Amino acid sequence: DAKTTQPPSMDCAEGRAANLPCNHSTISGNEYVYWYRQIHSQGPQYIIHGLKNNETNEMASLIITEDRKSSTLILPHATLRDTAVYYCIVRVVRDDKIIFGKGTRLHILP
Amino acid sequence: DAGVIQSPRHEVTEMGQEVTLRCKPISGHNSLFWYRQTMMRGLELLIYFNNNVPIDDSGMPEDRFSAKMPNASFSTLKIQPSEPRDSAVYFCASRVALSSYEQYFGPGTRLTVT
Repeated sequence: DAKTTQPPSMDCAEGRAANLPCNHSTISGNEYVYWYRQIHSQGPQYIIHGLKNNETNEMASLIITEDRKSSTLILPHATLRDTAVYYCIVRVVRDDKIIFGKGTRLHILP
Repeated sequence: DAGVIQSPRHEVTEMGQEVTLRCKPISGHNSLFWYRQTMMRGLELLIYFNNNVPIDDSGMPEDRFSAKMPNASFSTLKIQPSEPRDSAVYFCASRVALSSYEQYFGPGTRLTVT
């Protein structure tokens, strides 16, 4: 799996958009970008994934650059419940194994 | 669906005792994963099964750890004998193997070995 680089922590004001970056400069053509998050004391939770097109679901949007070397997870209107560690992972879609890095600890400020 | 079920949610035991953690995957999921999470090492994959067969156990720390999946709806992770450094939160997750579907995680078991 390609490695990813994320900032260790970020702050965002409640109600504002939270933009979480991820670098994956060695991503292969058949690898997808996945995002999970882990709220304190809970198991990780899937958020979204994509290959090269931008993706949106009820939780977030995923913007992948044209060269696919980086991506941004966007939480459009952050709430206090979005305080969590966010993990960016790249892998082949049918690969069962996920390797979690250290992620970004997002603090939503009231 | 009830999601991935883990038991017990909390376990406190003394060093040297045997510990058994249990997991029931989501019905229809044929891939099951065991993870361990500590502050120092983060979230580590210990072992995973496809169709009840262990596929990759390279993350199992040592022979004191063993995992089984006797059927599609049940798996155990056993530590014998337990040591204080085994204290961690152990997560179980499941998914449909070799598919585009994501992993679903259980609530975890917090293990404390004194």
